[in-house]
Amino acid sequence: GENVEQHPSTLSVQEGDSAVIKCTYSDSASNYFPWYKQELGKRPQLIIDIRSNVGEKKDQRIAVTLNKTAKHFSLHITETQPEDSAVYFCAASDGGGGKLIFGQGTELSVKP
Amino acid sequence: EPEVTQTPSHQVTQMGQEVILRCVPISNHLYFYWYRQILGQKVEFLVSFYNNEISEKSEIFDDQFSVERPDGSNFTLKIRSTKLEDSAMYFCASSGTENTNTQYFGPGTRLTVL
Repeated sequence: GENVEQHPSTLSVQEGDSAVIKCTYSDSASNYFPWYKQELGKRPQLIIDIRSNVGEKKDQRIAVTLNKTAKHFSLHITETQPEDSAVYFCAASDGGGGKLIFGQGTELSVKP
Repeated sequence: EPEVTQTPSHQVTQMGQEVILRCVPISNHLYFYWYRQILGQKVEFLVSFYNNEISEKSEIFDDQFSVERPDGSNFTLKIRSTKLEDSAMYFCASSGTENTNTQYFGPGTRLTVL
């Protein structure tokens, strides 16, 4: 079955710096890759997603890149702010209502 | 904006007891899911449900677990005889028809088994 590996497990940056979180997946049938942000005690919130027919997607300060050949995808956050501090999870799915397989999570801390 | 809702927010039970966790998915969604998250760990898939039947389940979802859509709005997860290791946050999620990929999560039910 699908396995998703996520790195790093913790990431500390200064406000205004960029943050990059990387994930790899194992199943070539996966074609949908969302990123969720989870604040302490709250639900995972979708922040951006990408489908396998696209190599990059951007939404304001957040971007995701996908390399299908290498089976890895990354989240890039620019101009980080303290409110970006949270746990970020990547996930993979074969789409069409299929299950999400999550990575282990990255705890991002943005220091003012 | 419509949201997935879950009740209760926190459930405390004794080992061996049955619990039912309730979810109201987004109203026009057709795919429903349960996930769990043990404290400090990643979110794990339990089961997916479509067209009034289970479409996929994980190894975690053994015969102690069951799901039901008893009416047009609720989606429930039952654990027949809880174990200590069932203590976790349980999230319900749903996805729609126009975009079956995007899953929206509920706020979760924290289950504590004593």
